[in-house]
Amino acid sequence: KAGVTQTPRYLIKTRGQQVTLSCSPISGHRSVSWYQQTPGQGLQFLFEYFSETQRNKGNFPGRFSGRQFSNSRSEMNVSTLELGDSALYLCASSRSGSRTDTQYFGPGTRLTVL
Amino acid sequence: QKEVEQDPGPLSVPEGAIVSLNCTYSNSAFQYFMWYRQYSRKGPELLMYTYSSGNKEDGRFTAQVDKSSKYISLFIRDSQPSDSATYLCAIYNQGGKLIFGQGTELSVKP
Repeated sequence: KAGVTQTPRYLIKTRGQQVTLSCSPISGHRSVSWYQQTPGQGLQFLFEYFSETQRNKGNFPGRFSGRQFSNSRSEMNVSTLELGDSALYLCASSRSGSRTDTQYFGPGTRLTVL
Repeated sequence: QKEVEQDPGPLSVPEGAIVSLNCTYSNSAFQYFMWYRQYSRKGPELLMYTYSSGNKEDGRFTAQVDKSSKYISLFIRDSQPSDSATYLCAIYNQGGKLIFGQGTELSVKP
């Protein structure tokens, strides 16, 4: 069974640009969550999508947005990039997103903002 | 106050040692507690999951929840170099968000 895949794995952008990251969940999983991981703040929840609807959202500015497609694949977009957006962006999928479901993480996209 | 706090370490132990990793959490209403392991350049993977209080054992790993102290622990017996990784505790908060501790970097020396 294929795991969660994320593309691209590495990305370098400059301040002010925007970026789109992609996540393909495990087949049959309908919930996709996104996290930001930095050395200073650790792993922080961004948002969760289920059946194309955002079901939960963390405390991030509106520059961070996402969407989910009918095949459960998800994209995350960050507009007007800032230096502080440099981080590892992880997505995780689970069957239904319930608290008893295991979340399976992808390898992440390493974003560097110059 | 952070909802979950974890000593970031790093922690270095000799092979075969018993490792104790700990987190504290803020809200006594939290019910779902997890430990994840993250190897370098990989995403986290679920190691242990505990609902409510008590102990749960899986091979060399034991997860413990003390709700009276709002304290969760992960014990690793007979630690191996392959256990070298970052260990993250996590809880589901009242809003249904998965909140992670800072992570403890563990190094097991042969």
